[in-house]
Amino acid sequence: EAQVTQNPRYLITVTGKKLTVTCSQNMNHEYMSWYRQDPGLGLRQIYYSMNVEVTDKGDVPEGYKVSRKEKRNFPLILESPSPNQTSLYFCASSSGLAGGRYTGELFFGEGSRLTVL
Amino acid sequence: SQKIEQNSEALNIQEGKTATLTCNYTNYSPAYLQWYRQDPGRGPVFLLLIRENEKEKRKERLKVTFDTTLKQSLFHITASQPADSATYLCALDMSWNTGFQKLVFGTGTRLLVSP
Repeated sequence: EAQVTQNPRYLITVTGKKLTVTCSQNMNHEYMSWYRQDPGLGLRQIYYSMNVEVTDKGDVPEGYKVSRKEKRNFPLILESPSPNQTSLYFCASSSGLAGGRYTGELFFGEGSRLTVL
Repeated sequence: SQKIEQNSEALNIQEGKTATLTCNYTNYSPAYLQWYRQDPGRGPVFLLLIRENEKEKRKERLKVTFDTTLKQSLFHITASQPADSATYLCALDMSWNTGFQKLVFGTGTRLLVSP
């Protein structure tokens, strides 16, 4: 089954304690991205990756890091979480603009709800 | 400033009626526009993509229009069912403009279909 898997689904942590949210996709997608979703603000892009070792900032990258060492994995790292990073996080993947007719479909994970105290 | 507007208030309709959701935007020129469905506690699920040269697109009971002059997309669900109750997100797809996949999402409209 084609899917994007995120872990953990729920996490409560304290300010300053480094954490990593993992994301893995099994569709051989080149493009992966992280979003955060906050009430009244919608989905906002944090970072994206067009392929292995190619990452770039989205619209709200401050306080986050990512890496793309393998095609299937795209972890989100919060080096020193702060309360304003309390949010619902989504990882997404797609075939991007590579070859063929563009379908645009983003496949989302189930989300990771993070609370920073 | 750039803005995407979807009705923030929930849309309540009766089963069997047509639901119409609106997505308006300013200061963007997307080549594509997408619609997603999101259920509570779940990730968004892709429904449709419409291109700027397509005025209308249909998929089963769904119909989407895209007016680049008005800067508006309308999303219709005909013969609505309680199972259609969800939040629907509009996303401007700037991929053609940027050279990489770039979506800008609206905040979504919650649809409630009552039996």
